[in-house]
Amino acid sequence: GAGVSQSPSNKVTEKGKDVELRCDPISGHTALYWYRQSLGQGLEFLIYFQGNSAPDKSGLPSDRFSAERTGGSVSTLTIQRTQQEDSAVYLCASSLSQGVRSEQYFGPGTRLTVT
Amino acid sequence: DQQVKQNSPSLSVQEGRISILNCDYTNSMFDYFLWYKKYPAEGPTFLISISSIKDKNEDGRFTVFLNKSAKHLSLHIVPSQPGDSAVYFCAARRNRDDKIIFGKGTRLHILP
Repeated sequence: GAGVSQSPSNKVTEKGKDVELRCDPISGHTALYWYRQSLGQGLEFLIYFQGNSAPDKSGLPSDRFSAERTGGSVSTLTIQRTQQEDSAVYLCASSLSQGVRSEQYFGPGTRLTVT
Repeated sequence: DQQVKQNSPSLSVQEGRISILNCDYTNSMFDYFLWYKKYPAEGPTFLISISSIKDKNEDGRFTVFLNKSAKHLSLHIVPSQPGDSAVYFCAARRNRDDKIIFGKGTRLHILP
């Protein structure tokens, strides 16, 4: 596709349920990032993937959060037993490579609301 | 501990005048700085960047200035246009680590 796509665009879920958020990066981009933006906050780094290397999970806020990237392309961010503080816009970005100063292209985000 | 700080949550500027958005950082290991622009319901888009070996980078109406000794950078937009109304995020990357740290953003309103 022409850009990074994310689905769903909006997700409302009940507290305690699990959710899966999907990201389709730009074809050929080897690096993929997940961020979240809570109300009034900046972009909080969650996790990134680079090729076949082990992902950097240092930004994941708790063990309820996990992500995988299958085949070096599509990525899924999973939040288990959602809490109200998980409500945020979850943004995915991809870039050509991690090792060079390549810009990140962002998707439109998934707005998650936990009720 | 916020390593990239944008202390002005919002800024209003008259159309045609200069918009100056400020950003401070605390980590001296940052070597590359970026500005992103975000419209509502869209993801951020890259605007302009600067390496720590430079003190200025210009691209059309947008200029970024870097003052390493003060750990401060600013984005100048001149002349400001209505389409510049958006949230602007300052971001920085650490040496040998492509994890980018973002500020909280500044909402710019261009007044007619």
